[in-house]
Formats: sequence, C-alpha cells, structure tokens
Amino acid sequence: EIVLTQSPGTVSLSPGERVTLSCRASQSVSSSYLAWYQQKPGQAPRLLIYGASSRATGIPDRFSGSGSGTDFTLTISRLEPEDFAVYYCQQYGSSPVFGGGTKVEIK
Amino acid sequence: QVQLVQSGTEVKKPGASVKVSCKASGYTFTSNTMHWVRQAPGQRLEWMGWINAGNDNTKYSQKFQGRVTITRDTSASTAYMELSSLRSEDTAVYYCAREPGSSGWNYCDYWGQGTLVTVSS
Repeated sequence: EIVLTQSPGTVSLSPGERVTLSCRASQSVSSSYLAWYQQKPGQAPRLLIYGASSRATGIPDRFSGSGSGTDFTLTISRLEPEDFAVYYCQQYGSSPVFGGGTKVEIK
Repeated sequence: QVQLVQSGTEVKKPGASVKVSCKASGYTFTSNTMHWVRQAPGQRLEWMGWINAGNDNTKYSQKFQGRVTITRDTSASTAYMELSSLRSEDTAVYYCAREPGSSGWNYCDYWGQGTLVTVSS
C-alpha cells in the first residue's frame, strides 16, 4: 500500500502570504491520481484539486497543484482568511489512501 | 444540486454493529460509485470501501474486510455502510462520498455531512 507523507505538519502564516504544501508518496502514483482536499473543523472534506493539477469546480485560482511520480505540491498563492484549515492529499489510483494532513494556521 | 444526507449520531457498545445511511439526491444515483471514509478523533481520513451503485459491485479496504458491508437501495437512492464487531477504536466520524465516475478508483467530489459513531461500554 502506498504511504503518503505530508509536510510540514503545521505552518503558521498571515493572510496574504504564499504557502506550498508537500505530499510525498512511498511509490509512484499512477497517472497522477492525486487529489487535494481542504477540511475545516466540524466539516466534511472539500475537493480542491484532482489529477494532481486540475482545479475542482468553483475552486479559486489561488489554489494550484503540481507534481508527478512521488512528489506533489499544493500552493496557495495568497492566503485568504477562509483558507486556514487542514489540507489532505489522497492517492486514488489503487487502494485509496490519505496523507496525514497539513494544518495551515493563522500566525 | 448534488446532496448526500447521512443518518444521525450513533452510540454503540463494544461488539455491536452499526449501520449508517447516505441518501443521495440531485443526480442519477446508479451512475456513480459511492465511497465510505472515516476519521477518528484527531486522525487522518481512512478509506473503508466503495459500492458501484449501478452494478452493486463492492471493494473493501483490507483493514476492514470481513467487518464492513456496503449496500445500496436504488429505489431509495441510498447507500449503507454496516460495521460489525465494534471496538472503541472504531469511534469516528463516518462519511459517504461520491466519485464523479463509477470505476471505484477516483477522487470524491461530493461528501455527506458525516455521522459520528461512538463505541463505549
């Protein structure tokens, strides 16, 4: 089973700053079957990115995804107050698995 | 608009079973596969399995094989997840989540609101 490791565990930033989150896979993720989700406390996850770099419907263009193989990133170009949340990556090419999450908190 | 509405909070004793429902609306239920994902307190999301609502095929995570059963009722546009032999470690929020296709190997674009299952003696 593929293991996804996200880093950093927590990052403290101010609104307006840029952040890049990392997701590293223990084996190559086939066909870039990599998704990113945002989760706020008490809420279900929300799909942001699929296919490593395609934005889901309604997702602002400040969110972008990139990467292939074993290394993937999610970038938020300018943090808005509503972006402070936990972000999870998921590989879905075989038995689906999620990363441990990165918490983006307000500095 | 696509909506997934799950059943309410459950409290169960160790050894019991729980069955969570997920009623879908806003799309053709049999055109998509439904996944079940759980999240224990402070933990990562954990995939449990899926059901192809069209042909009734299922696939389960090895971790839950033998304890989880996912079914669907097409007349009610509802999917179900039953977990048996509950233990305290099964205390979690359980989510249903729709994939945009039917392959089973896909991301999830719509999620239910979650159902809290607490296992306690």
